[in-house]
Amino acid sequence: GAVVSQHPSWVICKSGTSVKIECRSLDFQATTMFWYRQFPKQSLMLMATSNEGSKATYEQGVEKDKFLINHASLTLSTLTVTSAHPEDSSFYICSARGLAGYETQYFGPGTRLLVL
Amino acid sequence: GQQLNQSPQSMFIQEGEDVSMNCTSSSIFNTWLWYKQDPGEGPVLLIALYKAGELTSNGRLTAQFGITRKDSFLNISASIPSDVGIYFCAGRENYGQNFVFGPGTRLSVLP
Repeated sequence: GAVVSQHPSWVICKSGTSVKIECRSLDFQATTMFWYRQFPKQSLMLMATSNEGSKATYEQGVEKDKFLINHASLTLSTLTVTSAHPEDSSFYICSARGLAGYETQYFGPGTRLLVL
Repeated sequence: GQQLNQSPQSMFIQEGEDVSMNCTSSSIFNTWLWYKQDPGEGPVLLIALYKAGELTSNGRLTAQFGITRKDSFLNISASIPSDVGIYFCAGRENYGQNFVFGPGTRLSVLP
């Protein structure tokens, strides 16, 4: 099956710093990538949808200046949490949808962010 | 907008028992997906369904695309401890559209 990787798998940073998370589709080209956030024992919360070469579409309530998303190629999307604060601590999961045909959506393993 | 409901929200079962859960939509869907998420991991795709009435198995798991196209079901036979996790359904109305995800069913298996 299709594989999506994320890096890093976990990160601890000081308040005020910026953190970049990478999401790669390893064996397929992803026209669309998604970024989710998940709090403990809660469901997936879609943050934004990004298409290769265009600006991301953010869900209501998600600050686009705080969560910068770049989808520069068909295999790579990045999420940068700018000026991170403790309330940004969470589990961030990316997902990728492939090109035409019987499309489905595959998830990365997630990145746990802890802001001190 | 589209919403998916999953039932039950959580369940506790004894090891060896069979499990049934379902997902319902207010819209007609053409694709249903079922995922499992282990603690601290990303969701893993279990089964994908593309036709109404379709019944697909993956080991002890069986999922069905409801004939009304507004629901889908997932069954797990002879549960084991490693079945513990959150099971998410996802669906979409048309090809090319984004998938909508359900809130998940949290499964606990008691030894």
